[in-house]
Amino acid sequence: DVKVTQSSRYLVKRTGEKVFLECVQDMDHENMFWYRQDPGLGLRLIYFSYDVKMKEKGDIPEGYSVSREKKERFSLILESASTNQTSMYLCASSSSDRARVGYTFGSGTRLTVV
Amino acid sequence: DAKTTQPTSMDCAEGRAANLPCNHSTISGNEYVYWYRQIHSQGPQYIIHGLKNNETNEMASLIITEDRKSSTLILPHATLRDTAVYYCIVRPPEYILTGGGNKLTFGTGTQLKVEL
Repeated sequence: DVKVTQSSRYLVKRTGEKVFLECVQDMDHENMFWYRQDPGLGLRLIYFSYDVKMKEKGDIPEGYSVSREKKERFSLILESASTNQTSMYLCASSSSDRARVGYTFGSGTRLTVV
Repeated sequence: DAKTTQPTSMDCAEGRAANLPCNHSTISGNEYVYWYRQIHSQGPQYIIHGLKNNETNEMASLIITEDRKSSTLILPHATLRDTAVYYCIVRPPEYILTGGGNKLTFGTGTQLKVEL
């Protein structure tokens, strides 16, 4: 079964820590995305990547950076975690192939910054 | 992406058909209608998509009006596990969008509650 795997389901970090959220997909998808989801605000796009080593800012990139060194892996980095980054983080991937439709999401990482 | 309008919430009895409407009056010629759902505390899940013909798969049916300004997602025999937020999204297909145009934007969706 093809899927997107996020390294942690739950994570608790301290303010000021550097946090890495890892995402791996096994579908050979070109495009990968990081979203965060907060009550009342829905899903908001943080960063996305359409190729290895390529990245583009989404709607709320402040306080985050990303890394895509290999096609299957897309990492979200919180350089210095803050309490307002407590959220559910969702990774997704998609293909540019017309025969392969839809985005596949991971199960999410619920991050709490204390 | 074209704007969509969905009801905030709907209820459905288990075993009955759930019909979720979506209005997309500003849809353009190369835009498809996509449906995703998100069960509580999980990532969104792709359900179905269509351009202008009705579509059916193992999860649901999609009915698109002839003028393409609205559509209905049908879950033929809803179960408790279908309780989720359902998102209707209108956009060109992924294989047309390259680079920065490929991001998926979610609205607020419809909270479907399936009850006994």
